[in-house]
Amino acid sequence: GAVVSQHPSRVICKSGTSVKIECRSLDFQATTMFWYRQFPKQSLMLMATSNEGSKATYEQGVEKDKFLINHASLTLSTLTVTSAHPEDSSFYICSARDGTGAYNEQFFGPGTRLTVL
Amino acid sequence: DAKTTQPNSMESNEEEPVHLPCNHSTISGTDYIHWYRQLPSQGPEYVIHGLTSNVNNRMASLAIAEDRKSSTLILHRATLRDAAVYYCIPLSGGSRLTFGEGTQLTVNP
Repeated sequence: GAVVSQHPSRVICKSGTSVKIECRSLDFQATTMFWYRQFPKQSLMLMATSNEGSKATYEQGVEKDKFLINHASLTLSTLTVTSAHPEDSSFYICSARDGTGAYNEQFFGPGTRLTVL
Repeated sequence: DAKTTQPNSMESNEEEPVHLPCNHSTISGTDYIHWYRQLPSQGPEYVIHGLTSNVNNRMASLAIAEDRKSSTLILHRATLRDAAVYYCIPLSGGSRLTFGEGTQLTVNP
């Protein structure tokens, strides 16, 4: 199956700083990428959908100025958590969809655990 | 999005079959039934999907009711590595995956 990587896998930062998380599709071109957030003992919550070269579409309740998403190429999307606070501590997971196949399956990255002190 | 109902948790013994049910009574005619699973501290992993007919792959089998209002994921011989949260997700092509609560599967040695 197709591979999606995330970097870093784990990050700890101080409150008020910004953190960037990268999501890469390694062996396919991802026309669409998705960002999810997962708090402990909860399910994944979709934050936003991004298409290469266009602005991301955010789900209701997700602050677009706080969670900046850039999908500059068909293999890379970045999520920047700006002015992070302890309540932003969570497991962030990206996924990518290969739009060239007959079936548009979503492939998931391994996740990034963010801890804000 | 179609609403789904899955048991919160299930238990199985190692090397025994496991049947994970899912009700999706509001599924639309164009929705495929997808199953994903999430192992602890990992991203979700695709398991299987189907539309009307039963499906088999190396990981599992998917049995779909004739009226498509329910489906069952079948793991033929559970292993300890199958312990995960299993999500049933009806989805049309091009839509994005949204996750419910899923079923936490515990496999006992």
